[in-house]
Amino acid sequence: RKEVEQDPGPFNVPEGATVAFNCTYSNSASQSFFWYRQDCRKEPKLLMSVYSSGNEDGRFTAQLNRASQYISLLIRDSKLSDSATYLCVVNPMDSSYKLIFGSGTRLLVRP
Amino acid sequence: NAGVTQTPKFQVLKTGQSMTLQCAQDMNHNSMYWYRQDPGMGLRLIYYSASEGTTDKGEVPNGYNVSRLNKREFSLRLESAAPSQTSVYFCATPPRGPSTDTQYFGPGTRLTVL
Repeated sequence: RKEVEQDPGPFNVPEGATVAFNCTYSNSASQSFFWYRQDCRKEPKLLMSVYSSGNEDGRFTAQLNRASQYISLLIRDSKLSDSATYLCVVNPMDSSYKLIFGSGTRLLVRP
Repeated sequence: NAGVTQTPKFQVLKTGQSMTLQCAQDMNHNSMYWYRQDPGMGLRLIYYSASEGTTDKGEVPNGYNVSRLNKREFSLRLESAAPSQTSVYFCATPPRGPSTDTQYFGPGTRLTVL
């Protein structure tokens, strides 16, 4: 089983739609969680951190369910510019300082 | 403030050739990382350096060596390139500020081995 699993998609949605991505992680001791965005042929960029209480940044809402080891990202009112790959990232906060990346969910927003 | 810089941006090698990928950061953090990204595989950690003078293997270290030259620079060397090393390579370090639980990436090096 992969340490971080995501549905690869692609999710193909019209502009204005609401879309949700899910991610599960296997290490119950993981402490920090993030969503990164990666555009085609570019580096991953931090989109938002995921706090246990859930957090919102404009059209984006992230939630964490520690009991189910599950992270979600909700995008409301999708824009064409939201088309990208969204990476779920977990930091187990062990001594190795490593991040564990999911393989990403691809989103295509059509006019 | 350049953040994280990587050179070269693109490279084509023949099987058996060697090369060094360079990475430099001005985030003033101790830890630096090298990842490779292949289609459908996500980012996989090759090597990391928790601080100047230390390096450790990640998930996929075979075929690579690293050097932590100083606090700013962390290089990745392919001694004898193989087609399986065709990939996009990213260097990373924590972003500016006190937080070390996330990472900021360089623009990547796209390597093709023929």
